[in-house]
Amino acid sequence: EAGVAQSPRYKIIEKRQSVAFWCNPISGHATLYWYQQILGQGPKLLIQFQNNGVVDDSQLPKDRFSAERLKGVDSTLKIQPAKLEDSAVYLCASSLDRTQLGNEQFFGPGTRLTVL
Amino acid sequence: GQQVMQIPQYQHVQEGEDFTTYCNSSTTLSNIQWYKQRPGGHPVFLIQLVKSGEVKKQKRLTFQFGEAKKNSSLHITATQTTDVGTYFCAGRVGNQGGKLIFGQGTELSVKP
Repeated sequence: EAGVAQSPRYKIIEKRQSVAFWCNPISGHATLYWYQQILGQGPKLLIQFQNNGVVDDSQLPKDRFSAERLKGVDSTLKIQPAKLEDSAVYLCASSLDRTQLGNEQFFGPGTRLTVL
Repeated sequence: GQQVMQIPQYQHVQEGEDFTTYCNSSTTLSNIQWYKQRPGGHPVFLIQLVKSGEVKKQKRLTFQFGEAKKNSSLHITATQTTDVGTYFCAGRVGNQGGKLIFGQGTELSVKP
């Protein structure tokens, strides 16, 4: 079974530029998550989708971050414009169904973003 | 806001020694999950605890969920070099569909 795919793996941009990340979850997984992991910290949830609907985006800085999952499968996360403090690893994860009790999350390899 | 605190931040042990990391939540959790992240890798699910006072074992790893469902621990017996990595607890608040709140993680290094 293929895991969660993410691209690109690395990205270096200058502040005020834009960047987009792509994620393809495990086939059949209804729930998709985007996390931000700053060095030395635990992952912080940015947004959670159930199929193509947003379940939780309370910690998404909506003035600069946006995400979509139009067909309920793959997803993109965009930052526009980027700030220095956005330097982090952006992790995508998926789970079978958020309503199931035994609901482990499968993480992709992440995209390491450096903002100069 | 809701927080999940994890201690210690770092733990250095000699191979064969035991290791424990502790997780505390400011609010009651519906369940708690544990993940391991190897250096340069991504988090990998280890286990989920749901019931008050629950204890689960995976070989040398023992996981506990507190009676009040506000704290949890992971204990590794006789550490090996393959145990190296950062261990995260992640508490779920609210109902089953509630988001996971990750702790800061405990980075374990094992000296052979």
